[in-house]
Amino acid sequence: DADVTQTPRNRITKTGKRIMLECSQTKGHDRMYWYRQDPGLGLRLIYYSFDVKDINKGEISDGYSVSRQAQAKFSLSLESAIPNQTALYFCATSDLEDEQYFGPGTRLTVT
Amino acid sequence: GESVGLHLPTLSVQEGDNSIINCAYSNSASDYFIWYKQESGKGPQFIIDIRSNMDKRQGQRVTVLLNKTVKHLSLQIAATQPGDSAVYFCAENMNSGAGSYQLTFGKGTKLSVIP
Repeated sequence: DADVTQTPRNRITKTGKRIMLECSQTKGHDRMYWYRQDPGLGLRLIYYSFDVKDINKGEISDGYSVSRQAQAKFSLSLESAIPNQTALYFCATSDLEDEQYFGPGTRLTVT
Repeated sequence: GESVGLHLPTLSVQEGDNSIINCAYSNSASDYFIWYKQESGKGPQFIIDIRSNMDKRQGQRVTVLLNKTVKHLSLQIAATQPGDSAVYFCAENMNSGAGSYQLTFGKGTKLSVIP
């Protein structure tokens, strides 16, 4: 079984809809991250959490919110989706070590 | 090569040859660097890392070189195989000293292996 799972893997939604992307991990890591990936722009950090009570904004947090429901779960919400949020979204986890382990990604299309 | 901030370059290599992927980083305070491999339809996968107190680190068929003087990082892949075809990202981590740090990713280099 995968250490980091993301649901859904693909989602098409309309402008203005609320969307939640979910991430679960079985690695026992305290730290979790959400990134978005756009062609030619690499990975950009949206939010990160170092433990259940810790939430931090990343480089591009506007238009997004997160919830750390448990050590193993970190969800990303788009309160009112817009077309320029169409992207590939990745969840990642890490321990105190710096290496981050990534999930398989969620491809989100906002029409 | 790639820089944290440039277009996605492409490198084509003959199977069996060695590959060298370059990365320039801008933050001299960065103390940890990682190379990731991303295959089509998958998430990035860790390849190798290096800390700023090292110049070179070797893994299985891969070597990372760090030149702090010119802020340059490279990934060398020996005897490149078709399975090495992917996009490769470098990432740098600046430890702010407050226990909070973030990885900053480059935009990636696409490696294509010619059979």
